[in-house]
Order: sequence, then structure tokens, then C-alpha cells
Amino acid sequence: DAKTTQPPSMDCAEGRAANLPCNHSTISGNEYVYWYRQIHSQGPQYIIHGLKNNETNEMASLIITEDRKSSTLILPHATLRDTAVYYCIVRVGGGYQKVTFGTGTKLQVIP
Amino acid sequence: GAGVSQSPRYKVAKRGQDVALRCDPISGHVSLFWYQQALGQGPEFLTYFQNEAQLDKSGLPSDRFFAERPEGSVSTLKIQRTQQEDSAVYLCASSLGPSSGGPGAQYFGPGTRLLVL
Repeated sequence: DAKTTQPPSMDCAEGRAANLPCNHSTISGNEYVYWYRQIHSQGPQYIIHGLKNNETNEMASLIITEDRKSSTLILPHATLRDTAVYYCIVRVGGGYQKVTFGTGTKLQVIP
Repeated sequence: GAGVSQSPRYKVAKRGQDVALRCDPISGHVSLFWYQQALGQGPEFLTYFQNEAQLDKSGLPSDRFFAERPEGSVSTLKIQRTQQEDSAVYLCASSLGPSSGGPGAQYFGPGTRLLVL
């Protein structure tokens, strides 16, 4: 698995955009970028994934740099319920590959 | 539809006791994963099943840990002779499987919090 690097913590004001960075400089050509989040006392929740194009769904947007060595997860209007640990993971899209979560970024949304 | 469910949600065991943790994956999901999560850490991989076959058990920390999925649906993680260092949250996740061609997103249950005294 390619390793990822994330800041350990970030704060964001409620209603503002939260931009969570992730570095994955050793990503392989067939590896996708996945984002999960884990709200306190719950299991991780899948958010979004992408290969090289930017992606958007009802939860978030994912911006991947052209060289694919880094990405940013964007929560456009953060709410208090978005306070969680956010994990950036790289892995192949299909098939089996062991997933390594790391320690993620603790996002605190402040009222 | 129903998500991944796990039982019990909380388990307190005395050191040396055997425990069994159950996971009910999403119906039709071929792949099933078990993770261990220590306080303040990310989930750590334990083992992977594709249907009833256990294809990767490289993350199991010792031979006291055993997992099975005999009919390719429900899975049980068993820990024998529990030790205090086994205290953690045990997470189960399922996904459509490697042949689905899909994104491979894993869907997690709420976890079982195990405390060994």
C-alpha cells in the first residue's frame, strides 16, 4: 500500500468550507484515493473516492492534483456533525488489497 | 437496507476468558474484513474473507485470535484466553467483493468494544 500523510488535527468554523489535505507521493497508477471518516464511537464511514479526476457527491468533493501525489477533501459547508477523524487511504479500486488506515486528521468544527 | 451489524456492542471479560464477537455483513457482500482499533489509533487490519475463504489472516496478532465465516455470510471473531492488551474496539466491514468491478468501498459496523479486566 502507498503510505499517506495527513495533519493530525484541524479546526474549521461552522458553515465554512473544511479543506483536508493528504499527501500520497508514492501512489501507483492503478491506486485510487479513498476517504473515510469516523465519528466518535461509530465505525468508519465511506465518503468518496477518485482515481485522477475530481469527484463530487452529496457529502464532499475530492480534488486530486494532476501528478496524483496529493489530494484535498472538501466539505463545502461544515456542520458540527462533521466533527470526526478523517482518513485518507490509497488502494486499488477492485480486487483485494489490505487497507491501512493510519491515524487520520481530527477535524473539529467550531460553532 | 440494513447495514453491517455487530454484537455484542460491549463486552467485559476477565483475563483468561474466551470471547466470541459476531458480524452480520450487508446481504450479498462477498468480502468481509475484521479490524482492531486501539484508543486514539486508526483501525488495524486483522483478517479478510472472500465468501467463506479466509484469504488473508496476516494481521491476527497471535494464535489466540481465530476468525471464521463458514457459510459465507455471518462471521465470528474468537479470542481465546483474553489478555488486557486485547482491550480494543473490534470492527467488521463488508464490501461487494473483488469481482464486482465497483469502487471497493468498505461499509463498517458500529464495532464491539472489548474490555479485558
